[in-house]
Amino acid sequence: GQQVMQIPQYQHVQEGEDFTTYCNSSTTLSNIQWYKQRPGGHPVFLIQLVKSGEVKKQKRLTFQFGEAKKNSSLHITATQTTDVGTYFCAGPGGTSYDKVIFGPGTSLSVIP
Amino acid sequence: EAQVTQNPRYLITVTGKKLTVTCSQNMNHEYMSWYRQDPGLGLRQIYYSMNVEVTDKGDVPEGYKVSRKEKRNFPLILESPSPNQTSLYFCASSRDIFYEQYFGPGTRLTVT
Repeated sequence: GQQVMQIPQYQHVQEGEDFTTYCNSSTTLSNIQWYKQRPGGHPVFLIQLVKSGEVKKQKRLTFQFGEAKKNSSLHITATQTTDVGTYFCAGPGGTSYDKVIFGPGTSLSVIP
Repeated sequence: EAQVTQNPRYLITVTGKKLTVTCSQNMNHEYMSWYRQDPGLGLRQIYYSMNVEVTDKGDVPEGYKVSRKEKRNFPLILESPSPNQTSLYFCASSRDIFYEQYFGPGTRLTVT
């Protein structure tokens, strides 16, 4: 079945360093969403990408959707302690594309 | 305030004792889902509902039931819980499959 993978699983960075997480799908995605989950919290929507090659920015966060619409990345510039959490990508799946398939997430720790 | 509520937030029960976790949203959303979150596995969709009286299996439906009698409510039922259903459960809603999902605060279930 369809799989969505993310690497790395864990990342520890010094505050101020950059961070990137990668999301790869086994099938083409019509769109991809990114969520952030703080420790002890619930996932919160960050952004949705729809177009091939799309790049969107939110302050220090840059999101990219691959040309083939099978991969995506999230890059954080100059990490801060407020960036701590797990970042998930998600896309529609199933035979009718009415399911939501999440990646396993990348857990980010920021050392002050 | 737009929100998804879940109850209870914490539940400890014994094997075989039927339980229901309630989920309610006040955003008039069509699409609702239940997920379970386990370490290293991300969020896995248990069941989803495209609209009232329309429900379908996600990736891990075994041992669970749902119903969608009203648009706002989407309860998760465990008829005979087993220890392998110990997990963190999230309910989520969205306008439809292609829109951002709003998550409830989560229900931590322990089955002994």
